[in-house]
Formats: sequence, structure tokens, C-alpha cells
Amino acid sequence: DTEVTQTPKHLVMGMTNKKSLKCEQHMGHRAMYWYKQKAKKPPELMFVYSYEKLSINESVPSRFSPECPNSSLLNLHLHALQPEDSALYLCASSLEDGTGELFFGEGSRLTVL
Amino acid sequence: GENVEQHPSTLSVQEGDSAVIKCTYSDSASNYFPWYKQELGKRPQLIIDIRSNVGEKKDQRIAVTLNKTAKHFSLHITETQPEDSAVYFCAASYSGAGSYQLTFGKGTKLSVIP
Repeated sequence: DTEVTQTPKHLVMGMTNKKSLKCEQHMGHRAMYWYKQKAKKPPELMFVYSYEKLSINESVPSRFSPECPNSSLLNLHLHALQPEDSALYLCASSLEDGTGELFFGEGSRLTVL
Repeated sequence: GENVEQHPSTLSVQEGDSAVIKCTYSDSASNYFPWYKQELGKRPQLIIDIRSNVGEKKDQRIAVTLNKTAKHFSLHITETQPEDSAVYFCAASYSGAGSYQLTFGKGTKLSVIP
């Protein structure tokens, strides 16, 4: 299994809603990442988890809250988002933090109304 | 921090021609340089990567060259096909335990005209 699986694929939410994005990998990777990608732009790093501990938080607003329940799962909890947060949210994993290829999921396309 | 410049932003080639995309980086400590291809509506996928102890790497129609002195690296695609049409991102990072942060270039939209 060389896949990173993300759910849901599409999400529409209002500014007062609370929702979560989920990511799962079964490749034994110990580093997992959240990226945000706006149209026609490169992915922008949000968070890095290494061995289930948050190792990088790129000054992301607190309305985004990551969680790593175990080495295979990564969540991104969303609360009180703004319309400018609408984007493609990509989860990725790599063998370890600092080495080798990033495997990306297909992404969750978020629209905030 | 690292800064990666990528050129051109758009590139159109005839099917069968070659395509070259160039990137420069600023941090001499960077030692890992991947290239990602992202088709419309799809995830970025690694197509080739190179580490700083190697000057060139080839995989079928795709090759990457690295000039550490000049701090630039390039992607070469030969015999282009319509399915090569996509956005290509170069990236650079210092690959070491606890320090992995991939900096992406702004991307090149490649169109291969049949």
C-alpha cells in the first residue's frame, strides 16, 4: 500500500461550523504533513508531525488545529474559518522527518462560505 | 530561509520536442532537490529527485542536472507527449533528521501541443 488517503474529498462549510479533515497512511512512515494549496500556487507547509509529535507549526492561525492520534492517522480540525481559507488541503507522509520522498494524498477541497 | 526561483512560469512545446525548466536556490546547505508533477485536479507526484553528491540523474525521458556552485538545477524532458502536460514544481531542502522543510518553486505550467 503506497497510498495516502484523505477524507472527505470535498467539504463546504460555513464560518461558524466545526469540521475535520482526515488522513491515513499504512506505509510505516513516521513523518506526516499538512499543506495548503491555493489555485495556481505551490503547496504551502502548515504542520509537520514527526513520530506523532508536532515538530513544525508554520505560524498557522489557531482556527486550524492538527492532531496525530497514532502513527497512521493525521487530522486537521477546522473551526471559525474565513472565506480566504478556501483551498486544497493536502496531507503527505515521508519515511522520516528529514529524508526522502513526500507522498501526497489527493487532497480535500475546502470551500468556506 | 531557503528561497527557490523557478522559470519559466509557462512553457508550450510541440509534441516530440524537449522541455527544460530551471530553478535556482539560495541556501548552500540544501542537499535534496525533488521535482513534482501535478496534473489538473490531482495530487503532486514525485517524478525525479537528486541529492547534492550527484551532478546528474536520468530516468527514461526525464533528467535532472544540478550545479552546486551556481546553485541551480534543471529538469529536462525529452520527446514530450501530451500526457506530460501538467504543472511542474521544483523544490529544495536540507535533508537531515528533524530539519525537513521543503521549499517549492512557484511552478511551471507545461503544455504539450499534439
